[in-house]
Amino acid sequence: EDQVTQSPEALRLQEGESSSLNCSYTVSGLRGLFWYRQDPGKGPEFLFTLYSAGEEKEKERLKATLTKKESFLHITAPKPEDSATYLCAVCSNNNDMRFGAGTRLTVKP
Amino acid sequence: DGGITQSPKYLFRKEGQNVTLSCEQNLNHDAMYWYRQDPGQGLRLIYYSQIVNDFQKGDIAEGYSVSREKKESFPLTVTSAQKNPTAFYLCASRIRGTGELFFGEGSRLTVL
Repeated sequence: EDQVTQSPEALRLQEGESSSLNCSYTVSGLRGLFWYRQDPGKGPEFLFTLYSAGEEKEKERLKATLTKKESFLHITAPKPEDSATYLCAVCSNNNDMRFGAGTRLTVKP
Repeated sequence: DGGITQSPKYLFRKEGQNVTLSCEQNLNHDAMYWYRQDPGQGLRLIYYSQIVNDFQKGDIAEGYSVSREKKESFPLTVTSAQKNPTAFYLCASRIRGTGELFFGEGSRLTVL
């Protein structure tokens, strides 16, 4: 069965303190790995799609990378407005989208 | 602007009552989805529909029902058979295939 595990569950950073979030996956044929940002009480907002190992995508202070077993979301010099829950999801050969439980990021000023 | 509209945002229900959550999209997407989100857990798939008049059960369909009479609309009914319905419900859509999901703002259901 496809599985997605995100770590850590929660991460507290000082403003400007760079770090990485991890998404490990087991899937029968990866057709895409997705990162979303979710603010409290809101729907998830799409950030990136990665399709193959070695691929990287960047957006402002965020950079997503992909290997055959995991993806990282690197946050460089975060600001308080980056505080949110970050969700990872994988799409397999049967088009199922499987989500991880998320990493709750708090950035203190 | 194109997007997905869910209503109501908050809903309170007494035990034994059925409730229907609305989801409308104007993105011209073929596929629509309903997810349930509980604290500390990933999104879990309730039902999905790839085309009009067709839908499939997800991982946790028991106690829920859906219809897809129009491309734009995918309402979810939470029936009295759902044992623990208090949760945050998310509707999503995507172009048929493997593209990213676009989500609505969610509906929070509380059973009193």
